[in-house]
Amino acid sequence: GENVEQHPSTLSVQEGDSAVIKCTYSDSASNYFPWYKQELGKRPQLIIDIRSNVGEKKDQRIAVTLNKTAKHFSLHITETQPEDSAVYFCAASKYGNEKLTFGTGTRLTIIP
Amino acid sequence: ETGVTQTPRHLVMGMTNKKSLKCEQHLGHNAMYWYKQSAKKPLELMFVYNFKEQTENNSVPSRFSPECPNSSHLFLHLHTLQPEDSALYLCASSQDQKRVSSYNEQFFGPGTRLTVL
Repeated sequence: GENVEQHPSTLSVQEGDSAVIKCTYSDSASNYFPWYKQELGKRPQLIIDIRSNVGEKKDQRIAVTLNKTAKHFSLHITETQPEDSAVYFCAASKYGNEKLTFGTGTRLTIIP
Repeated sequence: ETGVTQTPRHLVMGMTNKKSLKCEQHLGHNAMYWYKQSAKKPLELMFVYNFKEQTENNSVPSRFSPECPNSSHLFLHLHTLQPEDSALYLCASSQDQKRVSSYNEQFFGPGTRLTVL
């Protein structure tokens, strides 16, 4: 089955700086890669996703890149703000099968 | 609120108790999921139902018994649990698990924080 690894497990960034979280996956057939954000005491929420036919996607301060050859994808947050503090999960799945395999999560702390 | 609700939000039970977790979605979705979230572990998929049919059982012990009476409701029946079952149990829903050529966002409920004594 699919295996998703996520690094780092914790990340502290000065407010205004950029943050990068990286994930690798094992199943070359995976073609959908969402990122979820979970604030303390709240439910996970989708913040951005990328399909395998795209190499990069941006949404304001958030971007995700995908390298299919290397089987890794990354989340980039620029101009970080205190409200970006949360746990971020990457995940992978395939067309027609919504079984998401999640990474172990990254606790991001933005230092004011 | 995202349209996925869970009750109760907190539950403390003994190892000999029987209890049930409830999930309800108001989004018109056809797929529903149970996840277990433990400290320092990834979200672990437990069960998937698509159009009321169970399509995934991720090697979950039989002390956890899911029930999906319709596309809007999902239950997780618990009996003779162990302390290591203490975790946050999250329900999620999406449009359709196996909709070909489509990716459907999963919407999560707030979770039930379960403590087994």
